[in-house]
Amino acid sequence: KAGVTQTPRYLIKTRGQQVTLSCSPISGHRSVSWYQQTPGQGLQFLFEYFSETQRNKGNFPGRFSGRQFSNSRSEMNVSTLELGDSALYLCASSFSREGGYTFGSGTRLTVV
Amino acid sequence: GENVEQHPSTLSVQEGDSAVIKCTYSDSASNYFPWYKQELGKRPQLIIDIRSNVGEKKDQRIAVTLNKTAKHFSLHITETQPEDSAVYFCAASRTGNNDMRFGAGTRLTVKP
Repeated sequence: KAGVTQTPRYLIKTRGQQVTLSCSPISGHRSVSWYQQTPGQGLQFLFEYFSETQRNKGNFPGRFSGRQFSNSRSEMNVSTLELGDSALYLCASSFSREGGYTFGSGTRLTVV
Repeated sequence: GENVEQHPSTLSVQEGDSAVIKCTYSDSASNYFPWYKQELGKRPQLIIDIRSNVGEKKDQRIAVTLNKTAKHFSLHITETQPEDSAVYFCAASRTGNNDMRFGAGTRLTVKP
């Protein structure tokens, strides 16, 4: 079966712009989580969605937001981009909220 | 929230030797502890996980041990091979609450 699909794979944006990233989970998976990965900070938890509701949120400013659709696909949005937002954004899905994440390949965002 | 610490940050071993990576967690309610392997330029992949109702789990050359009293868990890789070279991440969460937090990662290098 298809894995977790993230689009786009690469993105270059200018400071102040906004960006939307997409994540399609494995078919049947209802939980989708987002992480920011940077060389210095590792994997930082952004938020988790389950049944179209945000269930958990990490320590990121309000510029980072997300949503989940009825088909479990999820999007995350970053507004007013800053240079420090440059990172690999990873999405992970699981069937329930019992663990067993599968990660996508990520979207590499570069802010210039 | 949960805080996971991981040691060492880098580890170099000779092929055939064993490697041990240790993690501690802060939330005594955490009961699910996965380990992920991330090769350069690739997505993190789940290699083994353990739940709090068991103290040890093995899968071929890989084993994980859990000490709930001390709130620490470890990854053991025996008979290391060059293809084991990667960054390894530990994580912790409560089942039913997919708020999974990751350690900072350990870069393992296996020298042939």
